[in-house]
Amino acid sequence: GENVEQHPSTLSVQEGDSAVIKCTYSDSASNYFPWYKQELGKRPQLIIDIRSNVGEKKDQRIAVTLNKTAKHFSLHITETQPEDSAVYFCAARGSNAGGTSYGKLTFGQGTILTVHP
Amino acid sequence: GAVVSQHPSRVICKSGTSVKIECRSLDFQATTMFWYRQFPKQSLMLMATSNEGSKATYEQGVEKDKFLINHASLTLSTLTVTSAHPEDSSFYICSARTGLYEQYFGPGTRLTVT
Repeated sequence: GENVEQHPSTLSVQEGDSAVIKCTYSDSASNYFPWYKQELGKRPQLIIDIRSNVGEKKDQRIAVTLNKTAKHFSLHITETQPEDSAVYFCAARGSNAGGTSYGKLTFGQGTILTVHP
Repeated sequence: GAVVSQHPSRVICKSGTSVKIECRSLDFQATTMFWYRQFPKQSLMLMATSNEGSKATYEQGVEKDKFLINHASLTLSTLTVTSAHPEDSSFYICSARTGLYEQYFGPGTRLTVT
């Protein structure tokens, strides 16, 4: 099945700096890569996603890049703010019908982002 | 749009009893819903995939007779933890998929078994 590795596990930045979180995946057939933000005790919120037919997607201060050849994707947050502090999870969705990863999101281990004012 | 509700938000039950958690998609129809378990400071662990009108597909190691899932309609899935034990205490989160891709999460249920 799919295996997703996420780094770093913790990330501390100063307000206004950029933050980058990286993930690698194992299933070359995976075709969908969402990123979720989870604040303490709350639900994971979808913040951005990318499909395998594009290499980059941007939404205001956040962007995601995908390198299918290397099987890795990254989340970029620019001009970070204290309210960006949360746990961020990447995920990959398998696409091989009949495979064990089909249709399911496999999550990375999470990154605790702290933005210091 | 794409709102998922979950009820109850917190539940405390005694060991040996059963607990039912409801997951609803409020503004869309979800052909597929997912149930996850999350331990403190850990990632989301998929327990089962639920498709409307059919039996749930459980992940390896998840006891289907203990965690009963029913996806009775396109907007409702339920998880029943049967004969709960303290080790079942956890944060249970459902999610629902709109179309082929986007997946939205409910607010979670904190289960404590005493």
